[in-house]
Amino acid sequence: GQNIDQPTEMTATEGAIVQINCTYQTSGFNGLFWYQQHAGEAPTFLSYNVLDGLEEKGRFSSFLSRSKGYSYLLLKELQMKDSASYLCAVRDEDYQLIWGAGTKLIIKP
Amino acid sequence: IAGITQAPTSQILAAGRRMTLRCTQDMRHNAMYWYRQDLGLGLRLIHYSNTAGTTGKGEVPDGYSVSRANTDDFPLTLASAVPSQTSVYFCASSDSADNNEQFFGPGTRLTVL
Repeated sequence: GQNIDQPTEMTATEGAIVQINCTYQTSGFNGLFWYQQHAGEAPTFLSYNVLDGLEEKGRFSSFLSRSKGYSYLLLKELQMKDSASYLCAVRDEDYQLIWGAGTKLIIKP
Repeated sequence: IAGITQAPTSQILAAGRRMTLRCTQDMRHNAMYWYRQDLGLGLRLIHYSNTAGTTGKGEVPDGYSVSRANTDDFPLTLASAVPSQTSVYFCASSDSADNNEQFFGPGTRLTVL
């Protein structure tokens, strides 16, 4: 079967750094995505990795290791507005997205 | 309008009733998708359309049907609603089926009693 695992909830402090991990087992791999979803809102695209390594975009970075079936999203200089759920998704061999349940990130002052 | 719109925003529906959720995008995207999102579960694909005139089944298609008569519209129909279809439904679109980014509508919160 296909499976995406990520922690259910994490807590971090404003101004700090947090790493949200995602492991996956899918039929084929055509890229890994991270989306942000604020409560009651739609998901919005954050990042895309298809090759191994780190992709940096401002305060957010995403890392991929295809051999380990592993990714992480790194958020630096946390702000209160970063409180949201972070969704990991993998595009499988049929080019469909398989989604994790999401990690709810709580930022404390 | 700009982006994707969904209607209604929320709906309470009696079991057994027929319901159509509407989705319209003005980005001229070829691919469109319907997902449901339930607490503790990831987004699950119901149906998709890679281009106008074609549709395909996702992970959880039973009890739902779609049509794609034109590029902009992708309605989702529940022929006879059941309580297990209580969920938040998101429509999304992307420039093409293998495009990297999907854009999501604001969602429809559906309750079936």
